[in-house]
Amino acid sequence: GQSLEQPSEVTAVEGAIVQINCTYQTSGFYGLSWYQQHDGGAPTFLSYNALDGLEETGRFSSFLSRSDSYGYLLLQELQMKDSASYFCAVLGRDDKIIFGKGTRLHILP
Amino acid sequence: DTAVSQTPKYLVTQMGNDKSIKCEQNLGHDTMYWYKQDSKKFLKIMFSYNNKELIINETVPNRFSPKSPDKAHLNLHINSLELGDSAVYFCASSPRGREAFFGQGTRLTVV
Repeated sequence: GQSLEQPSEVTAVEGAIVQINCTYQTSGFYGLSWYQQHDGGAPTFLSYNALDGLEETGRFSSFLSRSDSYGYLLLQELQMKDSASYFCAVLGRDDKIIFGKGTRLHILP
Repeated sequence: DTAVSQTPKYLVTQMGNDKSIKCEQNLGHDTMYWYKQDSKKFLKIMFSYNNKELIINETVPNRFSPKSPDKAHLNLHINSLELGDSAVYFCASSPRGREAFFGQGTRLTVV
């Protein structure tokens, strides 16, 4: 089977840095993705890691360690608009995308 | 142009009814999905299709029947609706799974 674990909620201060962790157990792993979802909206793609290491896209970075079945999303210079739910997702066989339960990010002014 | 569009956005219906949700993508992707998001925000995969062929069926009740007339369309038909079917249903497409593009979602309420 497949399972992903991520914290249910994280709180941070505007302007700060926050890290959202994700651990996974899966058979047939091809990569780890991150998605952002605002209340009432659809999930939108943020990043994808197929290989170990850090990928940076503007204020967001994503890291993967395949040997540890672990990844994280790093958000820098937090803005109020970053308040949303963040999902890690594993890409498995047959292009199957399995999502974690999501982390609700609260940002305090 | 909307990349992945699904209709309707809202659907309120009575128990026992049959309803359909339509999805179309203009991105040229081979793979399309249906996901169900419950009140706890859990995104659960229901089905995936690759070039009109069913690839994944995640133990979804057979009251749910997807249909893909061509690789740009993946519709979802639900028979005999139950209260527990109330959720937001998302259609998505992807060029091999590394990046999924989601439709706006259909909020289904069964009363």
